[in-house]
Amino acid sequence: SQTIHQWPATLVQPVGSPLSLECTVEGTSNPNLYWYRQAAGRGLQLLFYSVGIGQISSEVPQNLSASRPQDRQFILSSKKLLLSDSGFYLCAWSRPDTQYFGPGTRLTVL
Amino acid sequence: GENVEQHPSTLSVQEGDSAVIKCTYSDSASNYFPWYKQELGKRPQLIIDIRSNVGEKKDQRIAVTLNKTAKHFSLHITETQPEDSAVYFCAASRLAGAQKLVFGQGTRLTINP
Repeated sequence: SQTIHQWPATLVQPVGSPLSLECTVEGTSNPNLYWYRQAAGRGLQLLFYSVGIGQISSEVPQNLSASRPQDRQFILSSKKLLLSDSGFYLCAWSRPDTQYFGPGTRLTVL
Repeated sequence: GENVEQHPSTLSVQEGDSAVIKCTYSDSASNYFPWYKQELGKRPQLIIDIRSNVGEKKDQRIAVTLNKTAKHFSLHITETQPEDSAVYFCAASRLAGAQKLVFGQGTRLTINP
């Protein structure tokens, strides 16, 4: 069966610091991968998606970036965090259609 | 692009009663409509989905209906229980390419004992 991992689970970072969140999927190959952000009490905002290694599409212009160095690894990064980057970051995978979410990373920027 | 509207934003029902959440979508090419349940502090969990080649799908106390002509779909929960309390999200996408889901704004469902 397929499983999706995210780490870290929680993170507290100062404004202006860098960020790296990691997501890995097990038990499948060539999945579509997604990064979402959910602000407190709000809906799900798609940030990036990837249909293959090195293929990244951005949905929202911002100070975040994503990379897919391996088939089942998806990384979300930032060079300098803003207060508005606080939220619940969710990675998801699909193959072929149903999306399944990872456990998420709760990021607080102070 | 696709736009999904979800109503109501909050819903409170008595235990044992039924709950209905409605969503409308704008892209007539959308053909996949999942529903997710998110408990406080947890990840969204898929509870049911429907494809545009069917009008209704049931799974125990949960059912989803789809009206392609009107471009709306609904989630029906019967015999509600306290553990049904959560935020529910509808979504829509095309079953091709990147299959980007566009989510509704969410409905906070509270089941009163």
